Amino acid sequence: GDSVTQMEGPVTLSEEAFLTINCTYTATGYPSLFWYVQYPGEGLQLLLKATKADDKGSNKGFEATYRKETTSFHLEKGSVQVSDSAVYFCALTGNQFYFGTGTSLTVIP
Amino acid sequence: DTEVTQTPKHLVMGMTNKKSLKCEQHMGHRAMYWYKQKAKKPPELMFVYSYEKLSINESVPSRFSPECPNSSLLNLHLHALQPEDSALYLCASSQPGQGSSYEQYFGPGTRLTVT
Repeated sequence: GDSVTQMEGPVTLSEEAFLTINCTYTATGYPSLFWYVQYPGEGLQLLLKATKADDKGSNKGFEATYRKETTSFHLEKGSVQVSDSAVYFCALTGNQFYFGTGTSLTVIP
Repeated sequence: DTEVTQTPKHLVMGMTNKKSLKCEQHMGHRAMYWYKQKAKKPPELMFVYSYEKLSINESVPSRFSPECPNSSLLNLHLHALQPEDSALYLCASSQPGQGSSYEQYFGPGTRLTVT
């Protein structure tokens, strides 16, 4: 069945460090891929998406590229800020929405 | 407008109470969802409505009863809950269709505590 495997956390980085959160997927067909962010005490917000192979989604300095050959959709940001502290979920659409387990990111000044 | 609203924001209820959670969207989406999220876990799908009809029920106990009065509103009726039902309840909406590429938009959630 369809599934998403996400890098275990928690991740702690200093401000202005480079961020990578790994996400790989298993799917039949051609899913769309998403990254969602959840700030403390809030719901999930769509961060970025990609709907086909080689698409790059980007938003607020975050980027992820849909790699069919490696079945991956890793999230990257060149310089993180304290305000990026949150939980990040990778997700895909198959017969339904499938979420990864989430990666907690803490950015320290 | 990409907003999904949920009320109340917080709810504390006893195990014998009856309460309802409400969700509203005005994006013209015809699929709406209820999720349950425990701390430090991903959301777990509970129910899916597509064109106001229940299309997925993920074996949720009958003490949770969903209702979709129209294309903009989604309710979750709660009765005789257990303490383990305490969680964040999230509503979401999207364009409908299995295998759809459409993203889901989430509300801020209702934090439910069962005492």
